[in-house]
Amino acid sequence: NAGVTQTPKFQVLKTGQSMTLQCAQDMNHNSMYWYRQDPGMGLRLIYYSASEGTTDKGEVPNGYNVSRLNKREFSLRLESAAPSQTSVYFCASKSGSLYEQYFGPGTRLTVT
Amino acid sequence: GIQVEQSPPDLILQEGANSTLRCNFSDSVNNLQWFHQNPWGQLINLFYIPSGTKQNGRLSATTVATERYSLLYISSSQTTDSGVYFCAAIEGNYQLIWGAGTKLIIKP
Repeated sequence: NAGVTQTPKFQVLKTGQSMTLQCAQDMNHNSMYWYRQDPGMGLRLIYYSASEGTTDKGEVPNGYNVSRLNKREFSLRLESAAPSQTSVYFCASKSGSLYEQYFGPGTRLTVT
Repeated sequence: GIQVEQSPPDLILQEGANSTLRCNFSDSVNNLQWFHQNPWGQLINLFYIPSGTKQNGRLSATTVATERYSLLYISSSQTTDSGVYFCAAIEGNYQLIWGAGTKLIIKP
């Protein structure tokens, strides 16, 4: 039982490049989330998926797109990376019947 | 929306000391979580505590929802307790609203 996994762990992009961050969970959770954490701050919600087939914007969705590929997987795409998107990205999941969220190890992204 | 404030922002203690971290929230919340982010950046669930008191080893947490605060107690601190402690209030069924964290340094 790996919990929530994320790939890659580290990534460096040039301004304007695109990439997709992958997240998978093996806990049969219904809800999945993408957050970003900037230095010295708490996490901010980018997008979430309450259940398979649905996605909704969070607090800071601009510049990002998401896909809930199936119940296990939730990907985050940066179409045209900007230096302001330099951050650590965390994926999380939650069972529909409980409120506790479980987090992956994070992806450290640098955009130059 | 809900706002979450944590205090103190920074705390430096000697190994063996006890500490209390506070989380205030601006509106009624149904649920609250405490996390520890270790120096490697990993987020560790400590407590899911909408109300009442829970204990796990040297750590315990109390939430008084009617007075809009939660407390995290760490007893007999160890160097491995260092890191940032976050509280997060759950808004609705989905969104976690995070405080800015308390950075804890435990000196040997």
